[in-house]
Amino acid sequence: GDSVTQMEGPVTLSEEAFLTINCTYTATGYPSLFWYVQYPGEGLQLLLKATKADDKGSNKGFEATYRKETTSFHLEKGSVQVSDSAVYFCALSNAGNNRKLIWGLGTSLAVNP
Amino acid sequence: GAGVSQSPSNKVTEKGKDVELRCDPISGHTALYWYRQSLGQGLEFLIYFQGNSAPDKSGLPSDRFSAERTGGSVSTLTIQRTQQEDSAVYLCASSSLAGGREQFFGPGTRLTVL
Repeated sequence: GDSVTQMEGPVTLSEEAFLTINCTYTATGYPSLFWYVQYPGEGLQLLLKATKADDKGSNKGFEATYRKETTSFHLEKGSVQVSDSAVYFCALSNAGNNRKLIWGLGTSLAVNP
Repeated sequence: GAGVSQSPSNKVTEKGKDVELRCDPISGHTALYWYRQSLGQGLEFLIYFQGNSAPDKSGLPSDRFSAERTGGSVSTLTIQRTQQEDSAVYLCASSSLAGGREQFFGPGTRLTVL
């Protein structure tokens, strides 16, 4: 079945550092790929998405490119802020699977001033 | 407009009791999903509704779990004879074709089984 693997955390960075959180997937067909974020004490929010190969999703300075050849969707940000401290989840959905979200385990990010 | 709401926000119950968790999706969203977020298992899909029908119940962990949706709107997830391993945050999400099928999440219900 479909699955998502993302790098384990926690990740601790200093403010203005470069961030990469790796995500790879296994899926049949042509899934859509997502990054969701969960800030402390808040609910899940969609951060960005990509629906086909080579698409780049971007939001709030974060980017991720849908790479079908490497089955990856790595999250990057050039300069993190303290306010980016959160848990980040990579997920996929497949039209052939009722579009239910299949999740990675989440990566906790802490950014220190 | 209003987002997805869930109630209660917190529920503490004793092992063996039944609980009902409620989800109010965004008005007009035909698709509704229940997920569970627990420390040991991460985020897991439970059940999917399209309208009032549940074509995918594959994630329900046991027959103690059931869900229904009425009027194409409110959904209730029921857990009978709760066990300690049912302790988790239960999340509801809704989506629509017009919205590009993005799933919007509610704040969740934190269930603690003592």
